Amino acid sequence: NAGVTQTPKFQVLKTGQSMTLQCAQDMNHNSMYWYRQDPGMGLRLIYYSASEGTTDKGEVPNGYNVSRLNKREFSLRLESAAPSQTSVYFCASSEALRVTAFGSGTRLTVV
Amino acid sequence: GENVEQHPSTLSVQEGDSAVIKCTYSDSASNYFPWYKQELGKGPQLIIDIRSNVGEKKDQRIAVTLNKTAKHFSLHITETQPEDSAVYFCAASINTGNQFYFGTGTSLTVIP
Repeated sequence: NAGVTQTPKFQVLKTGQSMTLQCAQDMNHNSMYWYRQDPGMGLRLIYYSASEGTTDKGEVPNGYNVSRLNKREFSLRLESAAPSQTSVYFCASSEALRVTAFGSGTRLTVV
Repeated sequence: GENVEQHPSTLSVQEGDSAVIKCTYSDSASNYFPWYKQELGKGPQLIIDIRSNVGEKKDQRIAVTLNKTAKHFSLHITETQPEDSAVYFCAASINTGNQFYFGTGTSLTVIP
């Protein structure tokens, strides 16, 4: 039982490059989330998906897009990376609005 | 939107002592308050949560209290152990939505 699996764990991008962060959960949870974590700012919600086929903006969605590919997978795409997107990204999933499972994070540096 | 403030940002205690972390929230509609523990290099882990229809919840050495009138909630860890050393986050949400608002975290160090 892997829980929430994120790939990659580390990534360095040049400004303007694009990339997709992958996330998969094996707990049959309906809701999935993408957060970013910056020093001194806690976790901030980028996008979430309440169920397969739906996505909604969170607190800081600008510069990101998401895809809920199926019930298991929820990807986050940066179309044109900027230094301000340097952060640690966490995927999470929940059932009944109880966020119980986070991935181990992706540490992204944009230079 | 909701604003969650968390204090202190750092906390050091001697092993065996108690640790208390406090959070306040601004939106009176918030009714679900989870706490997470994050160890170095790992994702947050849910350790305890409370809903607004109860004032206190305990799980072994961990307890959470909620004061809806004052809009604050606290995490209490008793008989602290070195393995309790981590960053702790509080959060608040409204049951009808998917938005979780996190505090800025408390770095707890338990000194052996």
